[in-house]
Amino acid sequence: NAGVMQNPRHLVRRRGQEARLRCSPMKGHSHVYWYRQLPEEGLKFMVYLQKENIIDESGMPKERFSAEFPKEGPSILRIQQVVRGDSAAYFCASSSGTSGKNEQFFGPGTRLTVL
Amino acid sequence: GNSVTQMEGPVTLSEEAFLTINCTYTATGYPSLFWYVQYPGEGLQLLLKATKADDKGSNKGFEATYRKETTSFHLEKGSVQVSDSAVYFCALSAVSSNYKLTFGKGTLLTMNP
Repeated sequence: NAGVMQNPRHLVRRRGQEARLRCSPMKGHSHVYWYRQLPEEGLKFMVYLQKENIIDESGMPKERFSAEFPKEGPSILRIQQVVRGDSAAYFCASSSGTSGKNEQFFGPGTRLTVL
Repeated sequence: GNSVTQMEGPVTLSEEAFLTINCTYTATGYPSLFWYVQYPGEGLQLLLKATKADDKGSNKGFEATYRKETTSFHLEKGSVQVSDSAVYFCALSAVSSNYKLTFGKGTLLTMNP
């Protein structure tokens, strides 16, 4: 079984450009979580999605950030008009259900650098 | 809201030394508790978990016991190896917050050369 896949692994953007980060969950998983790891701040929750639905976006910045998880294809985290402060590692995790006993499996992350 | 506090690092040990990384939490209800490990340049891997009070999670020689009375989930290993060098994250999830993970800031473990 392939694990959680994220691409690209490294992404470099100039200020003002758009960044698109992709996450393919493990086979059979329909729950996706996105987290951001900023230097010196640890990992912070951003958004929780199920197929075609955003369940909890309480950790998403109100502007420039959006996420989707379509019926077909990977989950996408989109950052418009990137700024230097968006430089971070972005991790997605998938799980098979909504119980606390359902482990979240993490992808290898996308490291975004904004020049 | 939910929060996790873990001891700050780095923790530097000699091979075969005893490891303890403290973790305490604040949460409503009965959260599940986790320890994740992150090796350089990689994503997080679940190390162990406990889903109710007094449960002990264990894996690869690491252990942690869910202590509700002290709201703690301290990570221990009796004899660390060079290969254990990594960042360790304590985390919780709860139904009240859609099971999203709330992490501590992480503790870097390094080994004496």
